[in-house]
Amino acid sequence: GEDVEQSLFLSVREGDSSVINCTYTDSSSTYLYWYKQEPGAGLQLLTYIFSNMDMKQDQRLTVLLNKKDKHLSLRIADTQTGDSAIYFCAESMRAGTALIFGKGTTLSVSS
Amino acid sequence: DTAVSQTPKYLVTQMGNDKSIKCEQNLGHDTMYWYKQDSKKFLKIMFSYNNKELIINETVPNRFSPKSPDKAHLNLHINSLELGDSAVYFCASSQAPGLAGDEQYFGPGTRLTVT
Repeated sequence: GEDVEQSLFLSVREGDSSVINCTYTDSSSTYLYWYKQEPGAGLQLLTYIFSNMDMKQDQRLTVLLNKKDKHLSLRIADTQTGDSAIYFCAESMRAGTALIFGKGTTLSVSS
Repeated sequence: DTAVSQTPKYLVTQMGNDKSIKCEQNLGHDTMYWYKQDSKKFLKIMFSYNNKELIINETVPNRFSPKSPDKAHLNLHINSLELGDSAVYFCASSQAPGLAGDEQYFGPGTRLTVT
């Protein structure tokens, strides 16, 4: 079955790096996503990675994919207080199909 | 210009009532979705429509009925509301299935509170 797991909470200090981890069970997942949800707001797509990639970097964000272990991580460099939010990992088998979400990791950044 | 919009943003109603939530996207996308986020922030797909046709219907009570009058709109009608229906409902849209790098764009959500 499909399942996406994330740790629920992460607390870091401003300026540190944050690493949010995610594991998934469906080996046929083709697309893996990271979404950000700020309090009271909708979901914002941060980045995505195809299953044939190992890494993707976009400014302060680095996504690492270990397909063998079905492990995905999101690293945020130089974490700022504005990065405080819930981060959702999601998978889909192909484009245009429903996303299967993890339960979200609440990132708290202290100054 | 809001890409995916939902109305209303907040909806407070009593048990047993019937209510609708509307969603519109101006991105020209062919596929639209409804997701439910419960009080623990868990997000789960409810329905998906492609070009006005239902393609995903997860296990939701048949009190929930999606309606797509055209590919830019996907409304959600809920009959006989129950306390457990209280949640935030998100609409999303994406381009036609099968396109590489397809991204789902989410609306701001509708917070439904059933009393």
